[in-house]
Amino acid sequence: EDQVTQSPEALRLQEGESSSLNCSYTVSGLRGLFWYRQDPGKGPEFLFTLYSAGEEKEKERLKATLTKKESFLHITAPKPEDSATYLCAVLQRGYSGGGADGLTFGKGTHLIIQP
Amino acid sequence: DGGITQSPKYLFRKEGQNVTLSCEQNLNHDAMYWYRQDPGQGLRLIYYSQIVNDFQKGDIAEGYSVSREKKESFPLTVTSAQKNPTAFYLCASSLTGQGGEQYFGPGTRLTVT
Repeated sequence: EDQVTQSPEALRLQEGESSSLNCSYTVSGLRGLFWYRQDPGKGPEFLFTLYSAGEEKEKERLKATLTKKESFLHITAPKPEDSATYLCAVLQRGYSGGGADGLTFGKGTHLIIQP
Repeated sequence: DGGITQSPKYLFRKEGQNVTLSCEQNLNHDAMYWYRQDPGQGLRLIYYSQIVNDFQKGDIAEGYSVSREKKESFPLTVTSAQKNPTAFYLCASSLTGQGGEQYFGPGTRLTVT
């Protein structure tokens, strides 16, 4: 069973059409939830870290929120340059690797913004 | 500029050969990580290192080996024992091994035929 599930898998929007991406998680003892942006053929680019329910972070047209079971990445009035795959990852207590900070990633949401 | 570099960007090998992927960081981070990314799957942790001369297996360590002789460097060797080595490999680092954001390199795409 996936511990981190992102939806939708793909999303196509018109420029200026606001929407939200979802990341639901089932891990216990959440130590942090991370959002990354990944362009094709490149490494993920860090966007936000959220640590506790109710926390919100903003950067330009992006806003990330966190509840006890899920996180949303809200995109307001997106532009074509916002097109990318958005990855969600969690850091949990008691990671099987012996307490290290290996992140557990979702499969990502592929976002396309059409001009 | 501080950052993480991975080389080469593309790598081609014949089946049965070992290959080493390079990862260097000048961020003065203690912890470093190797992930593998396959189409339709999330990134999966191969190995990680919290300090020099120490490293631990992640979820999919079989067929891989690492070393951490210097703080700045964390090379990954893909051995012939790895059954499906073709993938996009990503190296990351974080300030400490106790939480906090990880920063990724540009990746190496390995193709084994």
